[in-house]
Amino acid sequence: GAVVSQHPSWVICKSGTSVKIECRSLDFQATTMFWYRQFPKQSLMLMATSNEGSKATYEQGVEKDKFLINHASLTLSTLTVTSAHPEDSSFYICSAPVWLAGGNEQFFGPGTRLTVL
Amino acid sequence: DQQVKQNSPSLSVQEGRISILNCDYTNSMFDYFLWYKKYPAEGPTFLISISSIKDKNEDGRFTVFLNKSAKHLSLHIVPSQPGDSAVYFCAASVGSSNTGKLIFGQGTTLQVKP
Repeated sequence: GAVVSQHPSWVICKSGTSVKIECRSLDFQATTMFWYRQFPKQSLMLMATSNEGSKATYEQGVEKDKFLINHASLTLSTLTVTSAHPEDSSFYICSAPVWLAGGNEQFFGPGTRLTVL
Repeated sequence: DQQVKQNSPSLSVQEGRISILNCDYTNSMFDYFLWYKKYPAEGPTFLISISSIKDKNEDGRFTVFLNKSAKHLSLHIVPSQPGDSAVYFCAASVGSSNTGKLIFGQGTTLQVKP
């Protein structure tokens, strides 16, 4: 199947700093990628849709100035958490949809664990 | 507003028996449904999907049933194996195109006992 990678797999940072997370589609091109966040024992919450060559679309309640998304190429989307605070500590996961026979399937990256001290 | 609900946070079954995971949804516009398996600190892994034009889809030990009138779907795993122990998420989307975003349920933790 299609492979999606994320880097880094985990990061610890100080409050007030910015952190960049990369999401790459390794063997296919993705004009669209999705960013999710998962808090412990909760569901995956869609944060935003990353669109190659255009602005990202953010879900209600997600601050676009805090979570900067750049989809500069067909294989790379980046999420930058700006001025991170402890409440931003979470598990961030990206996904990319792939059209297979029968419908759309999304392949997920392994996730990035962010801890803000 | 939780559009996709998995009301059972956990399920425990004996190895070899059937595991049935349930999922309900409220948005009648959803027309494509997926099940994912997730281990801690990893991304979800796709298991099986079903389009709203079908009521059943089978893939090996995994079968998904869709009851559109009840807005309910279920995942059957038979026979269950210890390696199936994980968190299972159901997800729904509007449109099966490759731009459809997914709405996830809360997840059900399945434990299969040897």
